[in-house]
Amino acid sequence: RKEVEQDPGPFNVPEGATVAFNCTYSNSASQSFFWYRQDCRKEPKLLMSVYSSGNEDGRFTAQLNRASQYISLLIRDSKLSDSATYLCVVKRGNDMRFGAGTRLTVKP
Amino acid sequence: EAQVTQNPRYLITVTGKKLTVTCSQNMNHEYMSWYRQDPGLGLRQIYYSMNVEVTDKGDVPEGYKVSRKEKRNFPLILESPSPNQTSLYFCASSTRIPRGLSNQPQHFGDGTRLSIL
Repeated sequence: RKEVEQDPGPFNVPEGATVAFNCTYSNSASQSFFWYRQDCRKEPKLLMSVYSSGNEDGRFTAQLNRASQYISLLIRDSKLSDSATYLCVVKRGNDMRFGAGTRLTVKP
Repeated sequence: EAQVTQNPRYLITVTGKKLTVTCSQNMNHEYMSWYRQDPGLGLRQIYYSMNVEVTDKGDVPEGYKVSRKEKRNFPLILESPSPNQTSLYFCASSTRIPRGLSNQPQHFGDGTRLSIL
């Protein structure tokens, strides 16, 4: 079983839609959580950190449920430019574990 | 500009011919690591380094070597490349995590696409 599991998708949504991605992790000792965005053939880039209290950055909202070992990302009012693969990342000390990513395509 | 620079970006080579992928960062980061990314598997860590002359194996170290003689550089060495090392490779760096804290993300290089024939 992978340490970080994500639905690979693809998610194909129209512009303006709200889309949610989920991620589960198996190591309860994980300390930090992130969502990264990766465009095709490019490097991963940090989208946002994820906190237990939940956090929002514009159209993006991230949630963490430590008891269920579950992380989510909500994107509201999807834009064409949101098309990418979204990587769930959990970290323990310097040890980072990546999910395989969820692919999102936003269509006109 | 803060950067992690990898070279080459693309390389096609043959089995058994030694190659080195360089990685350099200009952020004075202590921590550097190498990942490979394969379809359906996500990023898997090959080796990492906590500081100069300190390196350790990640999840998939077989067939790779690294060195950390200077803080800014962390080259990845394939002594005898094989076709199963065909992959997309990323170097990353971050500040070293003090005990008890773990919220520093990593900065990634642009990636190196290796094809071993």
